[in-house]
Amino acid sequence: DTGVSQDPRHKITKRGQNVTFRCDPISEHNRLYWYRQTLGQGPEFLTYFQNEAQLEKSRLLSDRFSAERPKGSFSTLEIQRTEQGDSAMYLCASSLDTGAPLEAFFGQGTRLTVV
Amino acid sequence: GDSVTQMEGPVTLSEEAFLTINCTYTATGYPSLFWYVQYPGEGLQLLLKATKADDKGSNKGFEATYRKETTSFHLEKGSVQVSDSAVYFCALSDPSGGGADGLTFGKGTHLIIQP
Repeated sequence: DTGVSQDPRHKITKRGQNVTFRCDPISEHNRLYWYRQTLGQGPEFLTYFQNEAQLEKSRLLSDRFSAERPKGSFSTLEIQRTEQGDSAMYLCASSLDTGAPLEAFFGQGTRLTVV
Repeated sequence: GDSVTQMEGPVTLSEEAFLTINCTYTATGYPSLFWYVQYPGEGLQLLLKATKADDKGSNKGFEATYRKETTSFHLEKGSVQVSDSAVYFCALSDPSGGGADGLTFGKGTHLIIQP
């Protein structure tokens, strides 16, 4: 399977704990995006990387959230001191930047439940 | 800021019926417009896109035309099948308007096709 993969698929954590998610994009894609989706809503943009550089962060990305893409390949999203409001599906997408709007390929997401 | 509004669901139709899912948008710049589909248990997939006014995107029998004068991108299909049952998301990308380089999604419309 050469699509976008995310790990884990499901995560249950206690409030106050830290969690980290991983995303492996399609190998030749230089852009990587993180989104958050809550029940009954569309995905909301969190941040994106062009290679290893984080170029844009949404206001939704509080100080407790940090994302990295150290070698321009896989990316991690960490949430510190989780809160119940962080419960959501976290989606990763990747695309190839050629200067034109291109298809973003999405992974199946990591569903986070904070109890 | 940019936003996408699409009709509330669920939308329930009989097989072979005509489908319209309305989508309107507000954008600062000159956006590209997309329809994504999420089948049960799968990740988001691009269904079709249009990058400039009067462009028509089409795929798998679905069509949508970029209407700048009405700021709309309605999704249509002449004859739906049970296999079209899914959640459909309208989205835009508007980096030229100073927005984030990611996609802005509507809330999604759950389509149910009955045999």
